[in-house]
Amino acid sequence: EAEVAQSPRYKITEKSQAVAFWCDPISGHATLYWYRQILGQGPELLVQFQDESVVDDSQLPKDRFSAERLKGVDSTLKIQPAELGDSAMYLCASSSQSNEAFFGQGTRLTVV
Amino acid sequence: GENVGLHLPTLSVQEGDNSIINCAYSNSASDYFIWYKQESGKGPQFIIDIRSNMDKRQGQRVTVLLNKTVKHLSLQIAATQPGDSAVYFCAENTDSSYKLIFGSGTRLLVRP
Repeated sequence: EAEVAQSPRYKITEKSQAVAFWCDPISGHATLYWYRQILGQGPELLVQFQDESVVDDSQLPKDRFSAERLKGVDSTLKIQPAELGDSAMYLCASSSQSNEAFFGQGTRLTVV
Repeated sequence: GENVGLHLPTLSVQEGDNSIINCAYSNSASDYFIWYKQESGKGPQFIIDIRSNMDKRQGQRVTVLLNKTVKHLSLQIAATQPGDSAVYFCAENTDSSYKLIFGSGTRLLVRP
């Protein structure tokens, strides 16, 4: 069964360091989402791609976060410098025209 | 701003009973709704969806009801099982943007 792949599953980093997460969506899915989920809360959309273009990054803290999807397939989310408050689960999801979004297992980030 | 919310943060049910999880939404432009199940440490898993031109949709042991008049969405789980214990999120989006907005979630606890 096709699934969204994310790596790493867990990441511990020191504050002020750079960290990057990778996502490989389901083949053929044009829409890719990055969400941040704080423990006990619902996922919060950070950035949404349609193919290689950003269609919504209104909630992305652009002073420290960046995201790219250069070839319209896999995507990278970067944080530099990381802050203590960035500790969360970072989820990637993809969807086709049907709107149903499939999620990966996420990357659990801990900033110390 | 407009968001999706939930009435009950925690729901405890006896194994074998039916469960009803509720969700209120405020964006009248939303035309597609999804219920996700999230187990600890995992990404959200699609359960069932419904479009705004429907008021009921059934799956295996699950039923979603949509009341557009009062902007209310519910998930009914029949014969609740221990494996149903998880956090359940409703999410909404519009066909025009594919932007998925999540609520804060309801934790379902199934008592043996």
